[in-house]
Amino acid sequence: GAVVSQHPSRVICKSGTSVKIECRSLDFQATTMFWYRQFPKQSLMLMATSNEGSKATYEQGVEKDKFLINHASLTLSTLTVTSAHPEDSSFYICSARVGLSGSPLHFGNGTRLTVT
Amino acid sequence: AQSVTQLGSHVSVSEGALVLLRCNYSSSVPPYLFWYVQYPNQGLQLLLKYTTGATLVKGINGFEAEFKKSETSFHLTKPSAHMSDAAEYFCAVETQGGSEKLVFGKGTKLTVNP
Repeated sequence: GAVVSQHPSRVICKSGTSVKIECRSLDFQATTMFWYRQFPKQSLMLMATSNEGSKATYEQGVEKDKFLINHASLTLSTLTVTSAHPEDSSFYICSARVGLSGSPLHFGNGTRLTVT
Repeated sequence: AQSVTQLGSHVSVSEGALVLLRCNYSSSVPPYLFWYVQYPNQGLQLLLKYTTGATLVKGINGFEAEFKKSETSFHLTKPSAHMSDAAEYFCAVETQGGSEKLVFGKGTKLTVNP
């Protein structure tokens, strides 16, 4: 149980275009999802916390207008990288929690974004 | 604010040898502690967690970790390494009663030599 599906797994786009990444909880309802970014050989950096039916809470230094997060239902959150630039190239991972604080996060398999 | 320090960005062991991955945390209140494993180009998979109760926690794939409050540590161990254990390991902390956000350490890459 507690499967998180993330699509696409890889995407290559041209500079200036936008890319949407989907994160779905397949067998549970996730009131809260988290979006992380991971640079090569580094840890995960929390970008934002996505709450169903409300605006996402962004971490300090993360541009809200560049990284648009929508959590339209209890099973789907999307991250749109707008007007992508090469420096946005990274590994993006979503996660969802089943239960309250202290319960573990379940992660998607990540999306490798390459902006050319 | 909580933080996590993983000593050693790279650890190399021989197959069959003991695995010890170190994790120290900083938190003003009792934390929830987690170990995750990441294989190349994949998301993270939970190995084990500590919330309350017994301080020695057993996880999947033969891993275990012990919460030592006096040392603010949560080191991950496995008695005998297997080739399939080669991966990146992340320690993470969440503050009880806090923002529910997980803070990750920088990770330790485990290499298992035949």
